[in-house]
Amino acid sequence: SQQGEEDPQALSIQEGENATMNCSYKTSINNLQWYRQNSGRGLVHLILIRSNEREKHSGRLRVTLDTSKKSSSLLITASRAADTASYFCATDANTGFQKLVFGTGTRLLVSP
Amino acid sequence: NAGVMQNPRHLVRRRGQEARLRCSPMKGHSHVYWYRQLPEEGLKFMVYLQKENIIDESGMPKERFSAEFPKEGPSILRIQQVVRGDSAAYFCASSPTGDPLSNQPQHFGDGTRLSIL
Repeated sequence: SQQGEEDPQALSIQEGENATMNCSYKTSINNLQWYRQNSGRGLVHLILIRSNEREKHSGRLRVTLDTSKKSSSLLITASRAADTASYFCATDANTGFQKLVFGTGTRLLVSP
Repeated sequence: NAGVMQNPRHLVRRRGQEARLRCSPMKGHSHVYWYRQLPEEGLKFMVYLQKENIIDESGMPKERFSAEFPKEGPSILRIQQVVRGDSAAYFCASSPTGDPLSNQPQHFGDGTRLSIL
């Protein structure tokens, strides 16, 4: 079964607005990662947050992690049309090695 | 420093043929992972290899699918006697270590899109 579930499945906003995506997972983890996928391309790593971290920033990205609720959120501030992509969370699912378990993704559309 | 290279980018096969997908990891990376992505879905783990060893193949179908990562050359995902249901995007990722406590991200290639006629 799918480890992670993203919410919402699709999000449509205007340039300059903020976009928030949520991810839930089921098992204990060592870390949680967010990836971006442009149409027809591979995944680009955005940010990794460790299980003992609660919040992490990278440029316009802000990720939070709540291990008690087994959830994470990705906030993109001041969105741009170039942010249009699918966003996936992935966990290592505490398997002992880096086998990533991906969520179903959020498709973000940013209109100019 | 070249990223993960996959080829071909697109592969068309007829039912019953064989498909070979290649992946060259990033320089210095000895850990390779293969994932499959169906349309509108997330990636699903198939197999994890280190040089000359399969570490975990729990996500790979027992029949028709095989993977290798030889001492020299790229990693190969091989699908024999392909069926329509094998149509998907296959992604390869690499990392310098397989230890999740290292907190090293995986780096992905652009994938091979396999279409079965």
